[in-house]
Amino acid sequence: RKEVEQDPGPFNVPEGATVAFNCTYSNSASQSFFWYRQDCRKEPKLLMSVYSSGNEDGRFTAQLNRASQYISLLIRDSKLSDSATYLCVVNDDKVIFGPGTSLSVIP
Amino acid sequence: NAGVTQTPKFRVLKTGQSMTLLCAQDMNHEYMYWYRQDPGMGLRLIHYSVGEGTTAKGEVPDGYNVSRLKKQNFLLGLESAAPSQTSVYFCASSYGGRGTVADTQYFGPGTRLTVL
Repeated sequence: RKEVEQDPGPFNVPEGATVAFNCTYSNSASQSFFWYRQDCRKEPKLLMSVYSSGNEDGRFTAQLNRASQYISLLIRDSKLSDSATYLCVVNDDKVIFGPGTSLSVIP
Repeated sequence: NAGVTQTPKFRVLKTGQSMTLLCAQDMNHEYMYWYRQDPGMGLRLIHYSVGEGTTAKGEVPDGYNVSRLKKQNFLLGLESAAPSQTSVYFCASSYGGRGTVADTQYFGPGTRLTVL
């Protein structure tokens, strides 16, 4: 089993839709979790950290389920500008990036 | 603040040539990282540094060397380039260590390297 797994997609959704991504991790001792966004041919940028209690930033909601070892990202009211690859990051004694999930928001 | 900068942005090498990629950060971060990103492979850690004068191997260190002589700079060297090293290279830095709440990574814009 890979250390961090994501559905590669692509997810093609219409503007205004709600879309959710999951990311599973194998090390139960993992301590911190993040979602990064990467636009085509650009560097990854932090989207949000993921806290045990869950956290929300505008249209984005991140949740952590330690028992099942996954984190999720929910995007509501999708915008064209949300089109990007979303990378899940898990930190324990090393930093591990997931392969990313591609999202295309269609007019 | 410029954040994390990388030079060069693009480079084409012939097999066997050598080169050094420079990463600089002005955020006074202790930790610095070098990654490579290939299609379908995601980001893979090459080497990292937990402070000035220190380096450590990551997931794919073979064929690369690094140095951290100054806190703000992290150099990645290819002594004898191979076509398998064609990739996009990203540098990143973070304030805290891995597994801490202060370990958000800030990335440079990347270097696109082609080895013929």
